[in-house]
Amino acid sequence: QQQVKQSPQSLIVQKGGISIINCAYENTAFDYFPWYQQFPGKGPALLIAIRPDVSEKKEGRFTISFNKSAKQFSLHIMDSQPGDSATYFCAAPRFYSGYSTLTFGKGTMLLVSP
Amino acid sequence: ETGVTQSPTHLIKTRGQQVTLRCSSQSGHNTVSWYQQALGQGPQFIFQYYREEENGRGNFPPRFSGLQFPNYSSELNVNALELDDSALYLCASSNILYETQYFGPGTRLTVT
Repeated sequence: QQQVKQSPQSLIVQKGGISIINCAYENTAFDYFPWYQQFPGKGPALLIAIRPDVSEKKEGRFTISFNKSAKQFSLHIMDSQPGDSATYFCAAPRFYSGYSTLTFGKGTMLLVSP
Repeated sequence: ETGVTQSPTHLIKTRGQQVTLRCSSQSGHNTVSWYQQALGQGPQFIFQYYREEENGRGNFPPRFSGLQFPNYSSELNVNALELDDSALYLCASSNILYETQYFGPGTRLTVT
């Protein structure tokens, strides 16, 4: 079964610092790698996603870096803010006959201290 | 554009009972996937519905079942509830042609 290994489990960063979360995946039938942000009591919200025809994608303060040969991708949050404090999940697609689903990492709880 | 909605928000049931959770998919989406998220864990895929049929299933027993209606809304039914079924149940809608899934706010189920 598709595994996605996410690290670290938790992260404390000072306001203005850089938060880095890493994910490693196994074989996948196609390439689409999203990151989700989840606040307590809420559902996951799509934050940013990448297709590995590019090695990096940036949206505002959020950047995904992708290393296809190493089967790894990471999320960088620049100028981290207290409002970024949330749990972040990486995911990788798993394609079965007729449908696709997402396999999620276990999550990283980010706390940005003021 | 209306996002994914789920009801109820919270639910408390007793072991052995049955529960039905509901989801309205986002406008323009024809596929609904259900996930179970235990405390401190990532979402785990339960099953997916497309064209009113179960399109795929994760490692969940048959007492987890579902429906999809012509308007693409969906239900998740769980029979013979067990304590370990306590979790946040998430519905995600998507278009079958694309991988992006959009999640609803979830239903928090507590089994006592």
